[in-house]
Amino acid sequence: EVQLVETGGGLIQPGGSLRLSCAASGFTVSSNYMSWVRQAPGKGLEWVSVIYSGGSTYYADSVKGRFTISRDNSKNTLYLQMNSLRAEDTAVYYCARTSSGPYWYFDLWGRGTLVTVSS
Amino acid sequence: SSELTQDPAVSVALGQTVRITCQGDSLRSYYASWYQQKPGQAPVLVIYGKNNRPSGIPDRFSGSSSGNTASLTITGAQAEDEADYYCNSRDSSGNIWVFGGGTKLTVL
Repeated sequence: EVQLVETGGGLIQPGGSLRLSCAASGFTVSSNYMSWVRQAPGKGLEWVSVIYSGGSTYYADSVKGRFTISRDNSKNTLYLQMNSLRAEDTAVYYCARTSSGPYWYFDLWGRGTLVTVSS
Repeated sequence: SSELTQDPAVSVALGQTVRITCQGDSLRSYYASWYQQKPGQAPVLVIYGKNNRPSGIPDRFSGSSSGNTASLTITGAQAEDEADYYCNSRDSSGNIWVFGGGTKLTVL
């Protein structure tokens, strides 16, 4: 079955660090563009980061310099390392398989993992 | 970065047609994609490209685009279509993506 499963969320104090994982099955992470998208409680979707199949990475301005996207090809898993966390980073974090053109879309989503930044 | 603007809420009578719009400069360069999200669930892709539906999406969902505006049309809305709908496109800079604020669709 083709699916994504996120883990690693939880309660973390401001300034802390957390690493999210997204395990893929049914397809190869390294052959695809992969993104993280988050949704604060009661709010809309916000794109966070993408890693291209070639390894290039890009970030939303709101997380640049604090978050790092990566993947482990041997584990077929996507990661999001989150440092210097702030209250405004509180959200459900989804990983999503991302098209590589000519049309751009997110065609497969995980169920998400909740990150709560609070003291 | 660019922004995508959506109406916060739209309503439609059961069986009628509704159009949800999305405006932004990036839509002059890229087609929008559209996502349906029901409470407590992950988003689901419903339209991408010029007017493409993923497998399993009913043909009452369609997409169109003109200038800086993309539209999602539901022809013959059903009760199960009540959800939040989000548009998305690549930003004009090319390497980041942007979502619209979302439209809450109520089926009366």
